Order: sequence, then C-alpha cells, then structure tokens
Amino acid sequence: DVKVTQSSRYLVKRTGEKVFLECVQDMDHENMFWYRQDPGLGLRLIYFSYDVKMKEKGDIPEGYSVSREKKERFSLILESASTNQTSMYLCASSSPLATGAYGYTFGSGTRLTVV
Amino acid sequence: RKEVEQDPGPFNVPEGATVAFNCTYSNSASQSFFWYRQDCRKEPKLLMSVYSSGNEDGRFTAQLNRASQYISLLIRDSKLSDSATYLCVVNSFQYGNKLVFGAGTILRVKS
Repeated sequence: DVKVTQSSRYLVKRTGEKVFLECVQDMDHENMFWYRQDPGLGLRLIYFSYDVKMKEKGDIPEGYSVSREKKERFSLILESASTNQTSMYLCASSSPLATGAYGYTFGSGTRLTVV
Repeated sequence: RKEVEQDPGPFNVPEGATVAFNCTYSNSASQSFFWYRQDCRKEPKLLMSVYSSGNEDGRFTAQLNRASQYISLLIRDSKLSDSATYLCVVNSFQYGNKLVFGAGTILRVKS
C-alpha cells in the first residue's frame, strides 16, 4: 500500500512563528500536493509539485511556501503563522492508476492551531 | 460558482435504507470523477472511481451524466459504518491534472 506520512498529527504554534509541515511518501510518486481543509469549505489546494524542485501555486498560496528537494518529500512552510492559518493540513501524492484515471493517497493530516 | 457543488446534508437515514447523493461540476472539460469517503477527523480515502457507463461496487453505485454535468452515488442497505462524509471529486487536465474536491455530504446512519 502507498503510504503518505505527515510528521505531526497535532501542532500548536504561536503567531509569527515559522512552521514546517513535512510529508513523505514511499511509492516513488511524481505528484505531491498540500491542501487545507476547513468546515464548509472542503479541501483547498495550497501548492503542488509534479517533480523534484518543481512547485506550482494552487488556489490559496498566500502565506505559504513549499520545498521539494527530494522526490519523496514535500514540505509546507508557513513563513509567519497567523491565526487564520489554523486548519487541518493534508498532504497527498498520486501517480496514474492502472486504468489511467488519477486518484490521490492522503496522509493522516496535521491539525495546526495558531495561538 | 464553486467548481464542484454538493448538498452538505446531513442525510439522516435508518439502517437498511437506500440513500443517494448528487454532485454537480462546472467545468465541462473534466475528465475523471471520483467519490472519496472521509471519516471524522481522518483523511479522505478513495471510495470509487466513476465511469461514463456507471459502475457498481457491492452496495455502492456511481453514475455520471456528462450532458448535465452531475455525478451521483447510491448506497443500498445502509450500514452504521457507512456514516461519514462523502466527497465528490473531479479532475481536469485543463487545471494541470489536479483534483478538485466538493465540500462533502454528511451521511449519518442510525439504528
């Protein structure tokens, strides 16, 4: 089974801190994604990457940056955490399925609280 | 207008009931369609892909109507364990082959 591992399940940080959320996948997937999930808003794409050292902005990149130095690892960085970044953060990876359709495998999520 | 829209529910149904969820998508270029299931405080997991001809997996049936741009999920003989949030998901190469998620429909199955 594909495994996507997020380094922390729960995190509490102070306003203004720099926060690193780590994600590692073990199936040699090319594609990796960072989402945040908030009640009533669903999953919103922050950043994604289709290859090492490659990154693309998603729908809500403001206040975030990412790093992909190795294929298996995709890091999300909150440069200066703010209370409106309190959320559930989900990492996902993907590769074409046998049918040619795409599906994602998610990590178990990091629930970040900024105080 | 949201790219993927779902009725948030909750749908409260008794065990054994049949329940159906619909979802509409706005981008006619969408090419792949999925239903994901998300349990409380857990990550989303792929439930099933949705094919143009419709497809079935046990008690679950998914249908796609490209002309009307909607997707449906039918659950027969509901179980308590089916209680979860069901996410409608579409993929479009136009958007760099990313998945776009609906906000989800909550299902509660009661004994």
